[in-house]
Amino acid sequence: EIVLTQSPATLSLSPGERATLSCRASQSVSSYLGWYQLKLGQAPRLLIYDASNRATGIPARFSGSGSGTDFTLTISSLEPEDFAVYYCQYRSIFGPGTKVDIK
Amino acid sequence: QLQLQESGPGLVKPSETLSLTCIVSGGSIISSGYYWDWIRQPPGKGLEWIGGIYYSGTSYYNPSLEGRVTITVDTSRNQFSLKVNSVTAADTAVYYCARDHPISVGGAVRANWFDPWGQGTLVSVSS
Repeated sequence: EIVLTQSPATLSLSPGERATLSCRASQSVSSYLGWYQLKLGQAPRLLIYDASNRATGIPARFSGSGSGTDFTLTISSLEPEDFAVYYCQYRSIFGPGTKVDIK
Repeated sequence: QLQLQESGPGLVKPSETLSLTCIVSGGSIISSGYYWDWIRQPPGKGLEWIGGIYYSGTSYYNPSLEGRVTITVDTSRNQFSLKVNSVTAADTAVYYCARDHPISVGGAVRANWFDPWGQGTLVSVSS
């Protein structure tokens, strides 16, 4: 079974900084990778599907890249509302998450 | 705009059955190509996909939970439901419903990506 690992576990940054989150698959998942944002008490939000396609309504500061086994979610300039936990996902499998918190 | 909302008891006793419903509004559950799924997150842990159902009643489940879980659909009420039998403390989690955009792999349907999601509901298993 494919395993997804995410790094780092926690990313401490300030508003305005660039965030780079990594997701690695134990074997190739082609481009079938999604990214989600989770905040306490809110509905999780799909950010990116098929590795690099922004979901409807997602700001342009969010971008995804990669294929095969290595993927990246980039937030170009952190807004206050972006501090959250981010998960990558392949089919029914989720990674362990990266928490982006305020430095 | 499609919205999903989970409802059900917040507390279930060990060995009993957990039952939740997801009400779909702003669109029809009879939408070609979509499955309707349940996903959960135990406190302090990651996300776990439980399973999903098509409006026709075809369903698929996480093998680790299959046998204890049943997902059903009620197209007349535009909702779908989850039952988990013989619950233990390990079933304590926030339960989410979501629309699944599945993919066909070798003739079999597989979950692909999930959008939108409900807000989630916390279910605790305790006596």
